[in-house]
Amino acid sequence: NAGVTQTPKFRVLKTGQSMTLLCAQDMNHEYMYWYRQDPGMGLRLIHYSVGEGTTAKGEVPDGYNVSRLKKQNFLLGLESAAPSQTSVYFCASSYLAGSSTDTQYFGPGTRLTVL
Amino acid sequence: QQPVQSPQAVILREGEDAVINCSSSKALYSVHWYRQKHGEAPVFLMILLKGGEQKGHDKISASFNEKKQQSSLYLTASQLSYSGTYFCGTPRGGGNDYKLSFGAGTTVTVRA
Repeated sequence: NAGVTQTPKFRVLKTGQSMTLLCAQDMNHEYMYWYRQDPGMGLRLIHYSVGEGTTAKGEVPDGYNVSRLKKQNFLLGLESAAPSQTSVYFCASSYLAGSSTDTQYFGPGTRLTVL
Repeated sequence: QQPVQSPQAVILREGEDAVINCSSSKALYSVHWYRQKHGEAPVFLMILLKGGEQKGHDKISASFNEKKQQSSLYLTASQLSYSGTYFCGTPRGGGNDYKLSFGAGTTVTVRA
């Protein structure tokens, strides 16, 4: 099993450009999450999905959109990138969110720089 | 709301002990701990449940004080491999609308 994979690993954008980050998991997990990680601020939830075809806003959703057309994939889009979106982006998935034994599995991350 | 972790950073020599605290302003029924090594993804360590026992992972253990709405992570006889940033996560929402709110992290550096 590959677990959670993310594409691409690194990307440099110019202000105003758009891009899509892809997250894929092969563990048949229902729940998927997108986080951004900035120095001193920990992991902040951008958007999440509780199942195929569903999406919901997290703590910092502005400037991002997501889609979950297939259970195994969760896409994060930036329509018009801004320097404030320079960050490391992590995708995670879990089998039964809300279960007392639930665990999130993280992907390797995407380092995005917006110039 | 984000849980509050303390300290922000700690430097240890091999064999020394350390305690990392995680506090919440809201009632907790579970606390999740993750560790992230430099340049890598966060990895699950353990979950502490309300009314549950102290958990352990090698010589890393944790406790959960429901009344104080706080969890503590204990690094005992630290090893070089313990270096990394430790995050606590506390549940928000419920039912299908379930997610974790993570603290800002505690960076642990273990030196030989």
